[in-house]
Amino acid sequence: AQSVSQHNHHVILSEAASLELGCNYSYGGTVNLFWYVQYPGQHLQLLLKYFSGDPLVKGIKGFEAEFIKSKFSFNLRKPSVQWSDTAEYFCAVNARSSARQLTFGSGTQLTVLP
Amino acid sequence: ETGVTQTPRHLVMGMTNKKSLKCEQHLGHNAMYWYKQSAKKPLELMFVYNFKEQTENNSVPSRFSPECPNSSHLFLHLHTLQPEDSALYLCASSQTVGSGGNEQFFGPGTRLTVL
Repeated sequence: AQSVSQHNHHVILSEAASLELGCNYSYGGTVNLFWYVQYPGQHLQLLLKYFSGDPLVKGIKGFEAEFIKSKFSFNLRKPSVQWSDTAEYFCAVNARSSARQLTFGSGTQLTVLP
Repeated sequence: ETGVTQTPRHLVMGMTNKKSLKCEQHLGHNAMYWYKQSAKKPLELMFVYNFKEQTENNSVPSRFSPECPNSSHLFLHLHTLQPEDSALYLCASSQTVGSGGNEQFFGPGTRLTVL
């Protein structure tokens, strides 16, 4: 069965610091990868996704993620965070070869200090 | 209304009550999902419907009973719940189920507290 690991449960940064959130998945086949974000009191919303092609994908609000197949990783990055990036971030994986649904990681709470 | 809506947003119920959660999507999608979100745990997929047919029941206790009368509406009927069922229940929709790569759109959730 596929699983997703997010190693950091809570990350605290100051504004303008660089961000990298780790995501590793366990599935040997072809996958689709997602990062979702949940701002306080708001819906889960899609930040970015990877299906195929360029392994470096760009999302909304200056976020990007890099798919490294050999490492089964899809880390989320942002060069300079803002206070408004405070939210919970979820990595999710969908195995393309099956009807299996999205499998989510446990989430990383990001707190950005002004 | 746009996107995925859920009602009620908050619900407090006793263990002997019967209540229902409602989800509606305005995106023209054919697949709908129920998830349970508990603190410090990954989102747990509960049920999946595709074109009104249930395609997945992720070993959910029978005290949770889903209903999907059409592709736009999804219900979760609750009865004789336990305090550990307290959580945020999220509804999502996507174009279809099965081929992978289906981006899911989430509702705001219903915060359920079982006393």
